[in-house]
Amino acid sequence: GENVEQHPSTLSVQEGDSAVIKCTYSDSASNYFPWYKQELGKGPQLIIDIRSNVGEKKDQRIAVTLNKTAKHFSLHITETQPEDSAVYFCAASGFGTASKLTFGTGTRLQVTL
Amino acid sequence: SAVISQKPSRDICQRGTSLTIQCQVDSQVTMMFWYRQQPGQSLTLIATANQGSEATYESGFVIDKFPISRPNLTFSTLTVSNMSPEDSSIYLCSAGDNRGNIQYFGAGTRLSVL
Repeated sequence: GENVEQHPSTLSVQEGDSAVIKCTYSDSASNYFPWYKQELGKGPQLIIDIRSNVGEKKDQRIAVTLNKTAKHFSLHITETQPEDSAVYFCAASGFGTASKLTFGTGTRLQVTL
Repeated sequence: SAVISQKPSRDICQRGTSLTIQCQVDSQVTMMFWYRQQPGQSLTLIATANQGSEATYESGFVIDKFPISRPNLTFSTLTVSNMSPEDSSIYLCSAGDNRGNIQYFGAGTRLSVL
């Protein structure tokens, strides 16, 4: 089955700096890669996703890049703000309504003033 | 996107008892899933709740311990049976977007077993 590794496990940045979280996956058949943000006491919230036919996707301060050859994808957050502090999870799956998500181990991002 | 409501939001239970968690989606969805998230850990899929048929369980999870119901396209329940302290976790319900495999999550049920 699919295996997703995520690094780093913790990340501390100063407000205004950029943050990068990286994930690698094992199954070359995976073609859908979402990122979730989980704040304390809440469920995971989808913040951005990318499909395998696209190399990069941006949404305001958040971007995701995908390298299918190397089987890795990354989340980039620019101009970080204190409200970006949370745990971020990457995931991978095939595409389709029955496809299961395999999650990475999570990255705790702390944005300091 | 779908809005998912879970009840209860948290509970404290005695070992040996069972707890049923409810998950309600604000629209009809094909797929619903149940996950477990142990403290400080990632999400692990327990099972896929299939409407009109038995749930599909992942390796390490069995129906006798985690029976699941899916009576219609907007509702599912997960029961945690014969609980032990090791079952203390967050249990999350998700709904799959009908256009693909985007999943939206509920807020979770925080379960503590004494």
